[in-house]
Amino acid sequence: QSALTQPASVSGSPGQSITISCTGTSSDIGGYNSVFWYQQHPGKAPKLMIYEVKNRPSGVSNRFSGSKSGNTASLTISGLQADDEADYYCSSYTTSRTLVFGGGTKLTVL
Amino acid sequence: QVQLVESGGGVVQAGTSLSLSCVASGFTFSTYSMHWVRQAPGKGLEWVAVISYDGGKKYYADSVRGRFTISRDNSKNTMYLQVNSLRADDTAVYYCAKEWGSQGLYYGMDVWGQGTTVTVSS
Repeated sequence: QSALTQPASVSGSPGQSITISCTGTSSDIGGYNSVFWYQQHPGKAPKLMIYEVKNRPSGVSNRFSGSKSGNTASLTISGLQADDEADYYCSSYTTSRTLVFGGGTKLTVL
Repeated sequence: QVQLVESGGGVVQAGTSLSLSCVASGFTFSTYSMHWVRQAPGKGLEWVAVISYDGGKKYYADSVRGRFTISRDNSKNTMYLQVNSLRADDTAVYYCAKEWGSQGLYYGMDVWGQGTTVTVSS
């Protein structure tokens, strides 16, 4: 199972919005709504930010939103803040009853 | 509070075995499926395996199938990962993580441990 495709890096200024894409196939993202997004700060464990494509867990800011179109999922962060600077990973269930992560995107807040 | 604590990591020789543990607290362990995820130094997340809440279903990544075995003891609120025939590319931080939904396999994790480090020397 190949990793989902994410841009290696994105950047934005405080207050701006950015979008991170996550591209898979019809065997993963395109076939299921089991798409999740995680934030990971250096040296820390990942944190769930979005579950099942577009839902926010309790305690996650509404500045974070998710969507999906075809084989591509997206995470949008609005009103960028310094603490948003982190690595972001998407994941999806696959037809093989496994899970695949994206390669990760490093977000830099300028 | 909900907590996961991994243990069992260390520095081992290639070809040897190790047993990792994950002790859960703060939630009804027996009603949640559990995952192992690893992260090699400077690399991204790699899913390793999942076990259903009742231990009846187990699925593995291709890279570890046949070498790693996931199990759980709901009476001890503990999940395990037996790792055999270790290779240099198994070097990573191993995280255990809790499924976000109960009594099912949803392939999403809402609580993560701090990880245990496995270093395989050749």
